[in-house]
Amino acid sequence: DAEITQSPRHKITETGRQVTLACHQTWNHNNMFWYRQDLGHGLRLIHYSYGVQDTNKGEVSDGYSVSRSNTEDLPLTLESAASSQTSVYFCASSEGGGHTDTQYFGPGTRLTVL
Amino acid sequence: GQNIDQPTEMTATEGAIVQINCTYQTSGFNGLFWYQQHAGEAPTFLSYNVLDGLEEKGRFSSFLSRSKGYSYLLLKELQMKDSASYLCAVIDSNYQLIWGAGTKLIIKP
Repeated sequence: DAEITQSPRHKITETGRQVTLACHQTWNHNNMFWYRQDLGHGLRLIHYSYGVQDTNKGEVSDGYSVSRSNTEDLPLTLESAASSQTSVYFCASSEGGGHTDTQYFGPGTRLTVL
Repeated sequence: GQNIDQPTEMTATEGAIVQINCTYQTSGFNGLFWYQQHAGEAPTFLSYNVLDGLEEKGRFSSFLSRSKGYSYLLLKELQMKDSASYLCAVIDSNYQLIWGAGTKLIIKP
C-alpha cells in the first residue's frame, strides 16, 4: 500500500544545530508540504513543492529550507535550530490541484530544541 | 486578514449527535475541508465542500453556506473513537489552504 513516512518520529537537539527531518511518500504525488502544529494554532505551512526541483515558501518559512530532488522525498532542514522551532512537524502530499486536492499526512515528527 | 473560527473544545455523550461549527473570513473561497486528528496522530481527510448544502457520508455530514461564511460538521451516533480534534480548512482566492486551530471533541460514556 502507498504511504507517507517521516523520520525520525522524535528528535531532541540543541540550539544552533542543523537538523534535517525526512519525508518519503510512495503515492507518486506531485505535491508535498511541510507544516508545523503548535497548541492554539492551526497547521501552519512552512514550505511546499509542486514537483521535482520546485520549492516555495509558506507563511512561516524563516529558518527552514527544503529541496526536491525526486518525486518521493522532501527533506526539511532547520539551518540553526532555535527554541521557537520546538513543535510537531507534519509532512503531507497530494496528487494534484496545488493546495486544493486532498492532502495525506505523515505520522509527524516531534522536535524539541533545548 | 484571514481568519477561521472554531470552538476550542466540545463535550458530547456517546450515542448522541454533535455539531461542530466553523466560520471563516478569507480573501475569496474555493472550497472547505474537514479533517479528523486523533491525539498524537496525523490529520485524516473527512469531507470536502465547495457548493452550498449538505454532504452526507455515513455518520458524518458536512454543511456549507458560502454566503454566510459558515460550515458545520455533524456527527451522529457518537462513538468513543470519535474523540479527536476536528480541523476546518478553507481554500482562499489564491488557492492557498488556511487552517483553523481545530475543535477538540470529548466523548463521555
